[in-house]
Amino acid sequence: EAGVAQSPRYKIIEKRQSVAFWCNPISGHATLYWYQQILGQGPKLLIQFQNNGVVDDSQLPKDRFSAERLKGVDSTLKIQPAKLEDSAVYLCASSFGDSGGAFFGQGTRLTVV
Amino acid sequence: AQSVTQLDSQVPVFEEAPVELRCNYSSSVSVYLFWYVQYPNQGLQLLLKYLSGSTLVKGINGFEAEFNKSQTSFHLRKPSVHISDTAEYFCAVTTTSGTYKYIFGTGTRLKVLA
Repeated sequence: EAGVAQSPRYKIIEKRQSVAFWCNPISGHATLYWYQQILGQGPKLLIQFQNNGVVDDSQLPKDRFSAERLKGVDSTLKIQPAKLEDSAVYLCASSFGDSGGAFFGQGTRLTVV
Repeated sequence: AQSVTQLDSQVPVFEEAPVELRCNYSSSVSVYLFWYVQYPNQGLQLLLKYLSGSTLVKGINGFEAEFNKSQTSFHLRKPSVHISDTAEYFCAVTTTSGTYKYIFGTGTRLKVLA
């Protein structure tokens, strides 16, 4: 079974530029999560989708971050404009929306200079 | 709201020695508990989970964890560690009903020494 796919793996941009990350969840998983993991910290939930609807985006900095999940499958997370403090690993995860746990991709490491 | 506390940021241990990584949680409602492992430059991999029933749960790679409701703890243990267990370990919690939002602790870096 294919896992959660993310791209790109690494991205370096200058502050005030924009960037987008892509995620393809495990087939059949209705729930999709985007987490931000700053170096030395645990993952922080940015946004959670159930199919193509947003379940929780309470910690998403909406003035600069946006995310969408078209057709309830793939998702993109965008940052515009980026700040230095956005340097982190962005993890995508998916699940059946039950107690089975979330399954993570390898992440995208973003460096803002 | 739920929260997870992992008090030990780093745990060094010699190879073949036992190890315990501590996790405490806070929640006003019933929760499910999870342990994940993260190797360098990788995503998180599910080690084990507690949903209900026996408070001692076994996971992959010889790890086990014990749920203690009275102490709101879910400590991870392994009787004999290997060099390959060197990684970051995260405890996570989600409620038993609702949206299954996973809340993570800050992680414990396990370093196995030869």
